[in-house]
Amino acid sequence: QVQLQESGPGLVKPSETLSLTCTVSGGSMTTYNWNWIRQPPGKGLEWIGYFYYSGGTNYNPSLKSRVTISVDMSQNQFSLKLSSVTAADTAVYYCARATDNFDYWGQGTLVTVSS
Amino acid sequence: QSALTQPASVSGSPGQSITISCTGTSSDVGSYNLVSWYQQHPVKAPKLMIYEVSKRPSGVSDRFSGSKSGNTASLTISGLQAEDEADYYCCAYAGGSTPYVFGTGTKVTVL
Repeated sequence: QVQLQESGPGLVKPSETLSLTCTVSGGSMTTYNWNWIRQPPGKGLEWIGYFYYSGGTNYNPSLKSRVTISVDMSQNQFSLKLSSVTAADTAVYYCARATDNFDYWGQGTLVTVSS
Repeated sequence: QSALTQPASVSGSPGQSITISCTGTSSDVGSYNLVSWYQQHPVKAPKLMIYEVSKRPSGVSDRFSGSKSGNTASLTISGLQAEDEADYYCCAYAGGSTPYVFGTGTKVTVL
């Protein structure tokens, strides 16, 4: 059974960089794309971007200038960096495995942007 | 790419059937048969309920079914149960620079 687990700071100051890691267990990181998705409190889901196992990335154009997703296959982990954060970036951040659908999700981690 | 449009809320009594619509464009929902649906209970991660318009993952009740016509996809829950009360999101795979587009979400209430 594939499992994903997010980790990282729950509080980030405005203008700083949000950094999260997703650890994948129970399966290989090949063949799929590995995504970050976020959900502001009380709002809907927003796709952030993905890292494809062959080495490519794809980011939501609305966040592209601030987002970097990278992978460490040796550790079965992939990471999200979102720079220059503001209060609008406060959200639950999920990592998820996908093809044309998101079949496995992490439990999510709340990141609050506040001084 | 704009979010797909879903009704904010849908309600029904136990045992009834309800349908949630998900309207997009010819660039997303209408492009491919790659619409998926997710159920999200409070403070839980979304759970895949339907993929590729009408396919159910292993373990998902056959009370959940999906369909699509043109630029609108639909999720039907038959034999509504208390445990079905949750938020539901559609998602269309559209490829390109924004491959995944989510719906605005629908809160299902079991009366």
